[in-house]
Amino acid sequence: GDSVTQTEGQVALSEEDFLTIHCNYSASGYPALFWYVQYPGEGPQFLFRASRDKEKGSSRGFEATYDKGTTSFHLRKASVQESDSAVYYCALGDINMGYKLTFGTGTSLLVDP
Amino acid sequence: GGIITQTPKFLIGQEGQKLTLKCQQNFNHDTMYWYRQDSGKGLRLIYYSITENDLQKGDLSEGYDASREKKSSFSLTVTSAQKNEMAVFLCASSLGQYAEQFFGPGTRLTVL
Repeated sequence: GDSVTQTEGQVALSEEDFLTIHCNYSASGYPALFWYVQYPGEGPQFLFRASRDKEKGSSRGFEATYDKGTTSFHLRKASVQESDSAVYYCALGDINMGYKLTFGTGTSLLVDP
Repeated sequence: GGIITQTPKFLIGQEGQKLTLKCQQNFNHDTMYWYRQDSGKGLRLIYYSITENDLQKGDLSEGYDASREKKSSFSLTVTSAQKNEMAVFLCASSLGQYAEQFFGPGTRLTVL
């Protein structure tokens, strides 16, 4: 079945550092890929989506590019802030799976001021 | 804008007890979801409903029932609470397939 792998369980950075959170996927079809962010005590919030190869999604300074060749959708930000501390989830939606999203296990980002 | 309300925020029950979690949305979205969030395991889909009166099982439906009473509300019942299912239960809604899902703040379940 479809799956999403986030290799980093936790990432610790200082303010103004460059962020990369890795996301790789496995899907039988041609999925749409998503990033969500979850702050403490809240539900996840949609960051952005990409639906086709080489499409770049972006929001709030975060970006990711859909790469069908490497089956990846890595999240990047050039300069993180303390307020970016949160859990980040990569997810995929596959037309063969109907309305279901498959989420990764999440990456906890902690940014020191 | 809209909002998703989940009640209760904290739910404490005894092992073997039947427990009900409720979710309301005012986005006028057709599709609603229930997820379970365990530490280190991400979000796993329990049930979803594409439209009113529709129910679809997710990957984790065993031990749960769901009910879509009307377009704006979606309930989840834990049929017999177990200690190994203490988690946060998240409700979400969306306009449709591949659309942004909007999440509620969650219900934290504790089983004694």
